[in-house]
Amino acid sequence: DVKVTQSSRYLVKRTGEKVFLECVQDMDHENMFWYRQDPGLGLRLIYFSYDVKMKEKGDIPEGYSVSREKKERFSLILESASTNQTSMYLCGYGRVSYNEQFFGPGTRLTVL
Amino acid sequence: GQQVMQIPQYQHVQEGEDFTTYCNSSTTLSNIQWYKQRPGGHPVFLIQLVKSGEVKKQKRLTFQFGEAKKNSSLHITATQTTDVGTYFCAGPRNAGNMLTFGGGTRLMVKP
Repeated sequence: DVKVTQSSRYLVKRTGEKVFLECVQDMDHENMFWYRQDPGLGLRLIYFSYDVKMKEKGDIPEGYSVSREKKERFSLILESASTNQTSMYLCGYGRVSYNEQFFGPGTRLTVL
Repeated sequence: GQQVMQIPQYQHVQEGEDFTTYCNSSTTLSNIQWYKQRPGGHPVFLIQLVKSGEVKKQKRLTFQFGEAKKNSSLHITATQTTDVGTYFCAGPRNAGNMLTFGGGTRLMVKP
């Protein structure tokens, strides 16, 4: 089974800090993504990527940027964290042929 | 843009009772997927339905895709405590292989 790892399970940051969330898959999948999960709102797509150095905006990209320098790694960056970015962040990969998605364990980010 | 809605948002049932969650899309879908997220866990793929009117079963779980391919349901017969979690439906977005998720239905089962 392909594994997806995220850099932290829990993270506490202060308003205005720059925050890096990392996601690594241990296979060669092209499609990777970042969602945030909030109660009652389900999973909302922030950014996704089809390949190295490629990125596409999802539904809520404001306040976020991403980086994909290597195929296995997709990073989410909060340039200046704000309290409304307190959330659960889920990353993973999608299979091209079947388009099912596989998720990492998630990072629960709290911005104080 | 495309919207995927689920009802109910929460459901409490007694162990042994049945449970159903409903999913509706604002657009016709080429397929629909269902995921389960256990408390403290991450979403895990359960199944994909592709054909109009399709019905698939996984043990006590029955999944249906509507004739118009805009709605779907998940029915659990005789719930068990192991069924606890949040169930999400998801449909493909217009572009690429990404998905739009519904808001989820959180199932709680009283033993």
